Amino acid sequence: AQTVTQSQPEMSVQEAETVTLSCTYDTSESNYYLFWYKQPPSRQMILVIRQEAYKQQNATENRFSVNFQKAAKSFSLKISDSQLGDTAMYFCAFMNPLRELIFGTGTLLAVQP
Amino acid sequence: GAGVSQTPSNKVTEKGKYVELRCDPISGHTALYWYRQSLGQGPEFLIYFQGTGAADDSGLPNDRFFAVRPEGSVSTLKIQRTERGDSAVYLCASRESASTDTQYFGPGTRLTVL
Repeated sequence: AQTVTQSQPEMSVQEAETVTLSCTYDTSESNYYLFWYKQPPSRQMILVIRQEAYKQQNATENRFSVNFQKAAKSFSLKISDSQLGDTAMYFCAFMNPLRELIFGTGTLLAVQP
Repeated sequence: GAGVSQTPSNKVTEKGKYVELRCDPISGHTALYWYRQSLGQGPEFLIYFQGTGAADDSGLPNDRFFAVRPEGSVSTLKIQRTERGDSAVYLCASRESASTDTQYFGPGTRLTVL
């Protein structure tokens, strides 16, 4: 069975600085997708970034980028130039062959002014 | 275009009652998922529909939980004889087709069982 682990329950960062959120996963699959979702207090899960496991190049979306280490089964999220609106719960998720998402327990990120 | 919508936004019920939670996916999306998110946890998979049929219902916790999607669009999650442990946020997500991978989530329904 696949599992996703987020070992940082809470993180804090100053506005305009950079922060990295950690995620590790376990799977026997060779091809899969990984995602980071953001969940603000409104509860709406918002897709931040996705990575296809067969692509070696790390995905980037504006201020968001990932460090995907397939052999180590690590998938960290880097947020550059942090903004107050980035304050939210961040979930790492693995997509299984049925395209169901398996989520970690989340990291609560607080961006301080 | 409209995103995934869920109704009601909040539902308070008494132990033992029956509840229905509704999900309207993005128009044209063939795949639909239900997840349950308990306080302080990540969402947990419940059931996945491809079209009208349940492709995988292995995440439903017991036979009090049931979901339908009769016309391949709107889905209803039904919970019988609710228990206090059923209190959670129920999230719905849709995906465009069998060949795409991104799920788009609704705002969820917060269910509170007293």
